[in-house]
Amino acid sequence: AQTVTQSQPEMSVQEAETVTLSCTYDTSENNYYLFWYKQPPSRQMILVIRQEAYKQQNATENRFSVNFQKAAKSFSLKISDSQLGDTAMYFCALARFTGTASKLTFGTGTRLQVTL
Amino acid sequence: NAGVTQTPKFQVLKTGQSMTLQCAQDMNHEYMSWYRQDPGMGLRLIHYSVGAGITDQGEVPNGYNVSRSTTEDFPLRLLSAAPSQTSVYFCASTLGGTDTQYFGPGTRLTVL
Repeated sequence: AQTVTQSQPEMSVQEAETVTLSCTYDTSENNYYLFWYKQPPSRQMILVIRQEAYKQQNATENRFSVNFQKAAKSFSLKISDSQLGDTAMYFCALARFTGTASKLTFGTGTRLQVTL
Repeated sequence: NAGVTQTPKFQVLKTGQSMTLQCAQDMNHEYMSWYRQDPGMGLRLIHYSVGAGITDQGEVPNGYNVSRSTTEDFPLRLLSAAPSQTSVYFCASTLGGTDTQYFGPGTRLTVL
């Protein structure tokens, strides 16, 4: 079984500041993928960033970057220059590819509030 | 492309009623999945399909049925709704097993 843990239920950051959301996971697989999804009040699940476990280089997407520590099974998300539009729930997810399907396991989420 | 679409957006049922949540995608994705989202629990996999005619159970399949007669559609059926099935339901699709899953807008279901 695989698990994903997000230990920060809520976080707050001021506009233009940097914030880091934590995620740890557990899996016995060697080939897996990690994701951060954003869920704004509209409820839509939006992909923020993706990391392949076999890649050592940390993924980056504009203001979003990850710190992937495979040995420690840690996958944190850093948001730089926070904007009001970043206010949302953020979910960390682990995808295990079984050969026939990709199954996602989600964490319980971190609610991020960006303030003026 | 419309992406992944779900209908209805909201639904209220009485205990024991049945209904079907619709999901369709126009991206020619082979893999489709259904998740439910409950407060404080993240999203959990209900059922998934790796192609037309092939379905399998996820983490929380009890009380739900699925079928996949075409690549585009993957409906989720509640045979006899229970209050424990009150949740937000998401459909997702992906091109291949290692690709990113794309989510529909969700259906908020309330069972009284």
